[in-house]
Amino acid sequence: EAQVTQNPRYLITVTGKKLTVTCSQNMNHEYMSWYRQDPGLGLRQIYYSMNVEVTDKGDVPEGYKVSRKEKRNFPLILESPSPNQTSLYFCASAGPMLDTQYFGPGTRLTVL
Amino acid sequence: DAKTTQPPSMDCAEGRAANLPCNHSTISGNEYVYWYRQIHSQGPQYIIHGLKNNETNEMASLIITEDRKSSTLILPHATLRDTAVYYCIVRVSHTGYSTLTFGKGTMLLVSP
Repeated sequence: EAQVTQNPRYLITVTGKKLTVTCSQNMNHEYMSWYRQDPGLGLRQIYYSMNVEVTDKGDVPEGYKVSRKEKRNFPLILESPSPNQTSLYFCASAGPMLDTQYFGPGTRLTVL
Repeated sequence: DAKTTQPPSMDCAEGRAANLPCNHSTISGNEYVYWYRQIHSQGPQYIIHGLKNNETNEMASLIITEDRKSSTLILPHATLRDTAVYYCIVRVSHTGYSTLTFGKGTMLLVSP
């Protein structure tokens, strides 16, 4: 089954403790992206990647890092999480035409 | 990308057609109309997209007015599982920079 998976689905952590949210897709998509969703602000793009070793900032990249060493994986790294990064995070991927994006199930992160 | 306007909420009886409107009066000639939906806290799901002709797939139909300034997403026989937030997005297809700008969308409530 074609899908985008994220882990963990739920995470509660403390300020400053480095964490990584993994994202993997099995559709051989070149394009992958991370979004965060907050009440009243909608979905906002954090980072995206057009291919292996190619990443670029989205609308809200501050406080986040990404890497794209393999086509299927696109982890989101929070080096020093802060409470304002408490949010619902979605990973997405798309094929070469970029017409439709497939979203993962989401990761709900709480930073205390 | 052109801005869209959608009603904040709509109700629909189960089994009836749900018609969700979207205004995009500033759409330009090379911009497509996309529809996604998000069931509570799940990842957004692609529904359909079109340029100027009406489109239909297994999920829905998309009717775009001749002047392209508005469109309607039609769910022909709404079920309770169609309760979700529906997003109308206008963007240039096949762009290298592929942010999906999600507005507030329309909350569709399907009732028995």
